[in-house]
Amino acid sequence: EAGVTQSPTHLIKTRGQQATLRCSPISGHTSVYWYQQALGLGLQFLLWYDEGEERNRGNFPPRFSGRQFPNYSSELNVNALELEDSALYLCASSQVFRETQYFGPGTRLLVL
Amino acid sequence: GDSVTQMEGPVTLSEEAFLTINCTYTATGYPSLFWYVQYPGEGLQLLLKATKADDKGSNKGFEATYRKETTSFHLEKGSVQVSDSAVYFCALSAASGGSYIPTFGRGTSLIVHP
Repeated sequence: EAGVTQSPTHLIKTRGQQATLRCSPISGHTSVYWYQQALGLGLQFLLWYDEGEERNRGNFPPRFSGRQFPNYSSELNVNALELEDSALYLCASSQVFRETQYFGPGTRLLVL
Repeated sequence: GDSVTQMEGPVTLSEEAFLTINCTYTATGYPSLFWYVQYPGEGLQLLLKATKADDKGSNKGFEATYRKETTSFHLEKGSVQVSDSAVYFCALSAASGGSYIPTFGRGTSLIVHP
């Protein structure tokens, strides 16, 4: 069974640009979560999608947005990039909320 | 709101030493508790979990017991190896007022020397 996949593995952008990160969940999982892992800050919850709807978001500005497609894959968009957006962005999927989250390898975003 | 508190790292041990990483939580309702591990350059992997009070989760020689009375889920291993060097995250999953945001601790870095 394929795990959670994320693309690209690395992304380099300049300040003010937009970044698009992609995630494919494990087959049969309807929930997708996005996290930001900045150096020294642990995991910060960004967004939760389930059945195509945004169910909740963390304490991040509106320039962090995303969507979930009918096949349950998901996209995270970060507009007007700032230097402090440089981080590892992790995607996780689960079948139902109380089940274990399965994580992808992450996309490392560097903003110059 | 819900929160998870882990001991500050890094924890530095010699091979074959005993490991304890403390984790306490605050939550409404009845959370499930998890330990995840992140090896260098990788995403998080589930290490073990417990879904109700007094449950013990175990995997790869690691153990943690869900203690409702002390709201704790401490991670232990009797004899660590160099390959256990990683960052360990304690986490909880609980329904609260219709919100389903999972909560992670800040992570504890473990360094094991030969």
